[in-house]
Amino acid sequence: DIVMTQTPLSSPVTLGQPASISCRSSQSLVHSDGNTYLNWLQQRPGQPPRLLIYKISNRFSGVPDRFSGSGAGTDFTLKISRVEAEDVGVYYCTQATQFPYTFGQGTKLEIK
Amino acid sequence: EVQLVESGGGLVQPGESLRLSCAASGFTFSSHWMHWVRQAPGKGLVWVSRIETDGSSTTYADSVKGRFTISRDNAKNTVYLQMNSLRADDTAVYYCARGGFGTGTDYWGQGALVTVRS
Repeated sequence: DIVMTQTPLSSPVTLGQPASISCRSSQSLVHSDGNTYLNWLQQRPGQPPRLLIYKISNRFSGVPDRFSGSGAGTDFTLKISRVEAEDVGVYYCTQATQFPYTFGQGTKLEIK
Repeated sequence: EVQLVESGGGLVQPGESLRLSCAASGFTFSSHWMHWVRQAPGKGLVWVSRIETDGSSTTYADSVKGRFTISRDNAKNTVYLQMNSLRADDTAVYYCARGGFGTGTDYWGQGALVTVRS
């Protein structure tokens, strides 16, 4: 199975300041079709997960442009340009390149 | 609007069975893979199973293989998860999620809580 490792596991951030979460996979996430199926999910307290970013850097429908994704191969990053109060929650990277799909441990974003 | 509504969760004893349902609306159900993902209390997300559009192909996590069965009824826009021989470590919120076109699991339901306890 592909192991997804996120850092940090906790990220206290000041409102209006940027935040960054890293995700590393134990093997390349490049699929045989040439795509890299690395996604980012947000889970607000008491809510189900919500897709933010798919295929490394594509924002999903309705996702604010302060969220951006980057990376390639085995190293990926989610950035929030200016953190807002509604961004509090846990962020997961996940790979859909091969089964079983796997998730990072989650990074808890909280406001300082 | 895409909606996924799980039902069928509850409290069962070890060794018992339970069937979860997920009713879908707002999209062409028969065109999408469907997934089940679970989350134990206070823990992270764990993918459980997926089913292709016509139900002809299914995949399972090793931890549930041989005990859980995923199925779907495209006429009813519903995906199911039959869970047999339940164990305490199956206790979790079970989410159904839509498989997108290149987007992985793109829409998620609110989840159904399954508690396995003697």
